[in-house]
Amino acid sequence: GEDVEQSLFLSVREGDSSVINCTYTDSSSTYLYWYKQEPGAGLQLLTYIFSNMDMKQDQRLTVLLNKKDKHLSLRIADTQTGDSAIYFCVAGGYNKLIFGAGTRLAVHP
Amino acid sequence: DGGITQSPKYLFRKEGQNVTLSCEQNLNHDAMYWYRQDPGQGLRLIYYSQIVNDFQKGDIAEGYSVSREKKESFPLTVTSAQKNPTAFYLCASSTISGATTDTQYFGPGTRLTVL
Repeated sequence: GEDVEQSLFLSVREGDSSVINCTYTDSSSTYLYWYKQEPGAGLQLLTYIFSNMDMKQDQRLTVLLNKKDKHLSLRIADTQTGDSAIYFCVAGGYNKLIFGAGTRLAVHP
Repeated sequence: DGGITQSPKYLFRKEGQNVTLSCEQNLNHDAMYWYRQDPGQGLRLIYYSQIVNDFQKGDIAEGYSVSREKKESFPLTVTSAQKNPTAFYLCASSTISGATTDTQYFGPGTRLTVL
């Protein structure tokens, strides 16, 4: 069935770049999303990429899409302590979103 | 301020009781969704609705019920039939366009604990 996989944990030093990776199985996904969830809060849409794009940049965020390999990544430049959160990779299918389990990003000094 | 509100933020329930979680949106979105989140897992879809007075089951609808009497409101009832209801519940809404899933915007969530 449809699935999205991502690593569960990433630790980076403040000021370094963070790269969160995910793979998905549904080749018909038109949009791919990254959501951020801070502790005890709802999900905040960070960015999304249309499936016919290779890359999208939005300030400190860069999304790379390799459609052939069904691989999506989110790069956060100059990672700050405020970036500590869970990041969900989400594939947009027909009538539903398919969520990865989330990558917990820990930023340390 | 446009957005999605959920209430209450925290909810405690005794076993055997039904409880209703509120979700309201003023974004004029046609579609609304309920998800359940358990620790270390992604979100799982409980129910969704694309039009007033109509809704569809998601992947884990057993033990839950919903209504959509108004476009702005999509309450979720967790019934006593739900065997493991302790979880974080998230409501979302979106526009609807064609066959693709539109971007969903989420409320702040309700944490339900069964005592």
